[in-house]
Amino acid sequence: GAVVSQHPSWVICKSGTSVKIECRSLDFQATTMFWYRQFPKQSLMLMATSNEGSKATYEQGVEKDKFLINHASLTLSTLTVTSAHPEDSSFYICSAEDLGTPQFTQYFGPGTRLTVL
Amino acid sequence: EDQVTQSPEALRLQEGESSSLNCSYTVSGLRGLFWYRQDPGKGPEFLFTLYSAGEEKEKERLKATLTKKESFLHITAPKPEDSATYLCAVSNTGNQFYFGTGTSLTVIP
Repeated sequence: GAVVSQHPSWVICKSGTSVKIECRSLDFQATTMFWYRQFPKQSLMLMATSNEGSKATYEQGVEKDKFLINHASLTLSTLTVTSAHPEDSSFYICSAEDLGTPQFTQYFGPGTRLTVL
Repeated sequence: EDQVTQSPEALRLQEGESSSLNCSYTVSGLRGLFWYRQDPGKGPEFLFTLYSAGEEKEKERLKATLTKKESFLHITAPKPEDSATYLCAVSNTGNQFYFGTGTSLTVIP
């Protein structure tokens, strides 16, 4: 149980284009989902917390106009990287909080590798 | 300020050589402490959630314990397939999560 999927698993795009990443909880409902980015050999860096039906809460230093987050349903959140640039290249990982058992636990997706040329 | 510190940063073990990974934390109201395993290029895989001091959880060769200040992940007779980065995280009563930087474990055959 508690499976989270992400799509796509990897994407290569040209500078200036926008990229959308989907995060789905497959077998549970997630009122809260999280978006992280991770640089090589570093830990997870929280970008934003998204709650179903409301605006996402962004961490300090994360541009909300650049990283658009939509949590339209209890099983789907999307992250859109707008006007992507090479410095946005990273590993993006989403997670969903399962309010069931065990409580308060985040389950992570497999990640999306974004490369901006 | 809530924070999580993991040690050591890296650990090399011979196959069968048991050891422990440490996660020290300070948190304003612990809601849960979490252990994850992460393989290169993949998302973290959930291992355990601990809620209160004295609690222990086991899964195969792994055992997690919790005190009021730290958690240990004990690895008994590790195998090469246990090689990965192990992440510790805490959640506070404000629903904020804090991750450690991880311990990179290498088990040599």
